[in-house]
Amino acid sequence: EDQVTQSPEALRLQEGESSSLNCSYTVSGLRGLFWYRQDPGKGPEFLFTLYSAGEEKEKERLKATLTKKESFLHITAPKPEDSATYLCAVQRPRVNYGGSQGNLIFGKGTKLSVKP
Amino acid sequence: NAGVTQTPKFRILKIGQSMTLQCAQDMNHNYMYWYRQDPGMGLKLIYYSVGAGITDKGEVPNGYNVSRSTTEDFPLRLELAAPSQTSVYFCASSYAGGEKLFFGSGTQLSVL
Repeated sequence: EDQVTQSPEALRLQEGESSSLNCSYTVSGLRGLFWYRQDPGKGPEFLFTLYSAGEEKEKERLKATLTKKESFLHITAPKPEDSATYLCAVQRPRVNYGGSQGNLIFGKGTKLSVKP
Repeated sequence: NAGVTQTPKFRILKIGQSMTLQCAQDMNHNYMYWYRQDPGMGLKLIYYSVGAGITDKGEVPNGYNVSRSTTEDFPLRLELAAPSQTSVYFCASSYAGGEKLFFGSGTQLSVL
């Protein structure tokens, strides 16, 4: 069964303390891996798409990387405004879904808290 | 552009009541989705649509219905509300399936 697992479930950092979030997946024929940020009471907001192993994307203090089995979201020198839940989602080939989980499978998320 | 607009933001229903969650997008996206998000769980797909007049079930469709009469609107109908439908509901859209999704701000529904 296709699965997406995010770890840790929660992460508390001090401002400036760099760390990484993990998203491991078991999906046949990965079409893409997405990272979203979700603030309390709001819908997820798109951050990155990665398509192939070795690919990297950066945005401000965030850097996403992809291997054949997992993706990392590296946070460098985080600030309190980076506090949010970060969601990972993987895209499967259309032939692999037909009304079940759908094209995208979401992980449960990692709740990041950055203290000043 | 307003993006994806959901109404209402909050709603309390009694068991057995019915309601419609509204969703509209102004980005001319073909694909629209309804997800539910329960505490500590990943987003689960309820229904999706690839264009006006075309809908299909997702992972957790029981107890819900949808329609897509226009490109812009994708309402979600709960016919006989049950406590198990207490959740936060998100509508999303994308230009083509599998591209990045644009989410609405969600509807928090409680069934008591």
